[in-house]
Amino acid sequence: DADVTQTPRNRITKTGKRIMLECSQTKGHDRMYWYRQDPGLGLRLIYYSFDVKDINKGEISDGYSVSRQAQAKFSLSLESAIPNQTALYFCATSDPGETQYFGPGTRLLVL
Amino acid sequence: AQSVTQPDIHITVSEGASLELRCNYSYGATPYLFWYVQSPGQGLQLLLKYFSGDTLVQGIKGFEAEFKRSQSSFNLRKPSVHWSDAAEYFCAVRYPTGGYNKLIFGAGTRLAVHP
Repeated sequence: DADVTQTPRNRITKTGKRIMLECSQTKGHDRMYWYRQDPGLGLRLIYYSFDVKDINKGEISDGYSVSRQAQAKFSLSLESAIPNQTALYFCATSDPGETQYFGPGTRLLVL
Repeated sequence: AQSVTQPDIHITVSEGASLELRCNYSYGATPYLFWYVQSPGQGLQLLLKYFSGDTLVQGIKGFEAEFKRSQSSFNLRKPSVHWSDAAEYFCAVRYPTGGYNKLIFGAGTRLAVHP
């Protein structure tokens, strides 16, 4: 089984809809992250969490919110989706040595 | 501002040829350096990392990278490319910033392999 799983893997939604992307990990790490990937821009950090009670904004948090329900679960929400949020979204965890382990990604299309 | 540059957006090599992917960073001190690979439809997988010590590091899948402080570079190499190496490669750099060690990714280099 994969160490970091994301659901759904693909999602199409309409402008203005609220959606949630979910992430679960079995690595036992405290640190979790949400990134988005756009062609030619690499990965950009949306939010990160060092533990259940510690959540922080990344470089592009506007329009997004997160919830850390447990050590193993970290969800990303788009409160009111807009077309420029169309992207590939990755969840990751990191070990004490700060190597990051990524999920398979969620491809989101906002119409 | 800190940044990571991968100058080559696309590279095409023949199977069996050698490969070098370039990565340059801007930062005053020695950062932690990483190379990740993303195969189609997959997440990112760590190939190798450099924190300190020997500047030539070995990774998985036959890859290696060399840290050159004088050039602020961390180029990825492989002596003989296989068709399965076709993927997108990301260089990443960790910069300490207060309580969070920020990981910044380059824009990626897409590798195509000709038979």
